[in-house]
Amino acid sequence: DIQMTQSPSSVSASVGDRVTITCRASQDISGWLAWYQQKPGKAPKLLIYAASSLQSGVPSRFSGSGSGTHFTLTIHSLQPEDFATYFCQQANSFPFTFGPGTKVDVK
Amino acid sequence: EVQLVESGGDLVQPGGSLRLSCAASGFTFSDHYMDWVRQAPGKGLEWVGRIRDKANGYATDYAASVKGRFTVSRDDFWNSLSLQMNNLKTEDTAVYYCTRAIRGEHRFYFDFWGQGTLVTVSS
Repeated sequence: DIQMTQSPSSVSASVGDRVTITCRASQDISGWLAWYQQKPGKAPKLLIYAASSLQSGVPSRFSGSGSGTHFTLTIHSLQPEDFATYFCQQANSFPFTFGPGTKVDVK
Repeated sequence: EVQLVESGGDLVQPGGSLRLSCAASGFTFSDHYMDWVRQAPGKGLEWVGRIRDKANGYATDYAASVKGRFTVSRDDFWNSLSLQMNNLKTEDTAVYYCTRAIRGEHRFYFDFWGQGTLVTVSS
């Protein structure tokens, strides 16, 4: 199975900050990576797919980049509604696997 | 509006069985692959299984942790997805999400999720 890791595990930030989250895959997954946002008690929401494609309806302050084994999610100007946990997921091969999550909380 | 509504979660003893359902609406259900993803309390996300569409023979795939115990099925007439869970273990305790998979370039991603249904396996 492909193992996914994320760093940091948590980050404290303020509204307006730029936040960058890193995701690494244990083997080459090309660009087949997604990012999800999850708020407490809610289902995850797809933000980015194919490493850098913005899902319809997602604000443009979210961006993704990377390929191979190293990927990043950037929130360019953090908004109050962005405090949440973010997960990466590899879509390259079965079984699909998720990173452990990065919690973005208030500084 | 796309809606996925899970039901069937419950408290069940180890070794028991449970069937989860997911009612889909707001899109052409038969055109989509559908997946189950679970999340143990306070933990991360774990993909459980997938069922493809009729054009792909309703083929299924499963995580190793559930293969042979869980079965994903669908009813395209009733726009319904099911997860039959047998020989349940305490480690199957989780919120189970029904998800729609969409093709993004050459792979599939989970673009809509239900609200989840809680399965607790405990004696």
